Amino acid sequence: QVQLVESGGGVVQPGRSLRLSCAASGFNFSIYAMHWVRQAPGKGLEWVAVMSYDGSQKYYLESVRGRFTISRDNSKNGLYMEVNSLRPEDTAIYFCARGRIYGAFDMWGQGAMVTVSS
Amino acid sequence: DIVLTQSPDSLAVSLGERATINCKSSQSVLTSSNNKHYLAWYQQKPGHPPKLLIYWASTRESGVPDRFSGSGSGTDFTLTISSLQAEDVAVYFCQQYYGTLWTFGQGTKVEIK
Repeated sequence: QVQLVESGGGVVQPGRSLRLSCAASGFNFSIYAMHWVRQAPGKGLEWVAVMSYDGSQKYYLESVRGRFTISRDNSKNGLYMEVNSLRPEDTAIYFCARGRIYGAFDMWGQGAMVTVSS
Repeated sequence: DIVLTQSPDSLAVSLGERATINCKSSQSVLTSSNNKHYLAWYQQKPGHPPKLLIYWASTRESGVPDRFSGSGSGTDFTLTISSLQAEDVAVYFCQQYYGTLWTFGQGTKVEIK
């Protein structure tokens, strides 16, 4: 089955950390760029980070640069993101998404909820 | 950064009627290397992730009904649902890719009148 499944979300206090994971299946994970996109409750979509198919390139949203770290393990078909120094404004559903050369996201996971609250 | 502004924020359309959503970019999303507009449209239903409908401004994703169409160029783009169906009730987002930054419009909620 072709799918992306996120895990690792939860409720954390401000300043703490989490590690989000995204397990891919049903397609050749190693040839696709992979992204994290978030959506605050009741709000719109916000792109967060991308890693190239081979892990050689990664880019971040300005507001998370230095706090979030994207990584991947193509041998395990896994995408990850370490989210550190969390802030209340980081509260959101975090989706992993497959990137295509035309700049769009053609496959999405169901998302992992991260709530930052004291 | 490129800012995408959608209009309207919400609209109510009768079943079988046309729905039109606009997306204006703060700068051109045309890539000179291949003369393509890196502008996409998504549909998101409550409790679900977004679904890709249109990419390159006007290319329909595989499996998307042909009542959905995209048009536009430069900085102004449109998503049209030619004959609204009940299952089209959702929030629609435009999205652009330029350089190493991806951004979304704020979303347009489509409801049945």
